[in-house]
Amino acid sequence: KQEVTQIPAALSVPEGENLVLNCSFTDSAIYNLQWFRQDPGKGLTSLLLIQSSQREQTSGRLNASLDKSSGRSTLYIAASQPGDSATYLCAVRGLSRYQGAQKLVFGQGTRLTINP
Amino acid sequence: NAGVTQTPKFRILKIGQSMTLQCTQDMNHNYMYWYRQDPGMGLKLIYYSVGAGITDKGEVPNGYNVSRSTTEDFPLRLLSAAPSQTSVYFCASSPTPRGTQNTEAFFGQGTRLTVV
Repeated sequence: KQEVTQIPAALSVPEGENLVLNCSFTDSAIYNLQWFRQDPGKGLTSLLLIQSSQREQTSGRLNASLDKSSGRSTLYIAASQPGDSATYLCAVRGLSRYQGAQKLVFGQGTRLTINP
Repeated sequence: NAGVTQTPKFRILKIGQSMTLQCTQDMNHNYMYWYRQDPGMGLKLIYYSVGAGITDKGEVPNGYNVSRSTTEDFPLRLLSAAPSQTSVYFCASSPTPRGTQNTEAFFGQGTRLTVV
């Protein structure tokens, strides 16, 4: 059974710092890994999707890496801003009897606070 | 752009009551999903559908039922509410992949359900 773990559970840093969020998974047989942002009382917003054949993806100040063999992914946030405060979830897409189904297994999230 | 729309946003149920959580999407996605998120935890997959008339169980299906009669709608029924079903419920959809490309999942805003 796939298990996804995120460390740390919470992180508070001053504005402007570069930071790294960690995600680990137990089964390397994945199709992709996604990083989501969740704001309080809101739904999830997809930030980055890394296919199993890729090593990293970048979007603006965000960079996500994937090391399937070690079961790890990191989300790097450069020059953090107060608007980055949110919970960040990673999720891996597992196997499904129906090809194309996004059966996601989520970590518990990292609650990030950026202090002005 | 409506995307994935869930109703209601909040609901309080008494133990033993039944209810249906509504989910509709206007992106013509074949794949739809129901997840639940307990406090401080990641999301867990309840049920998913790969098209009208085809559904399958996820990780935590007990106490729930689904059907998919149209591409747009994927309602989730709670058969007899229990306190353990107090959670935030998220509906999501994703498009059919083209070739080997992975696709993102799009999430609704969630339904916060309390069973008392």
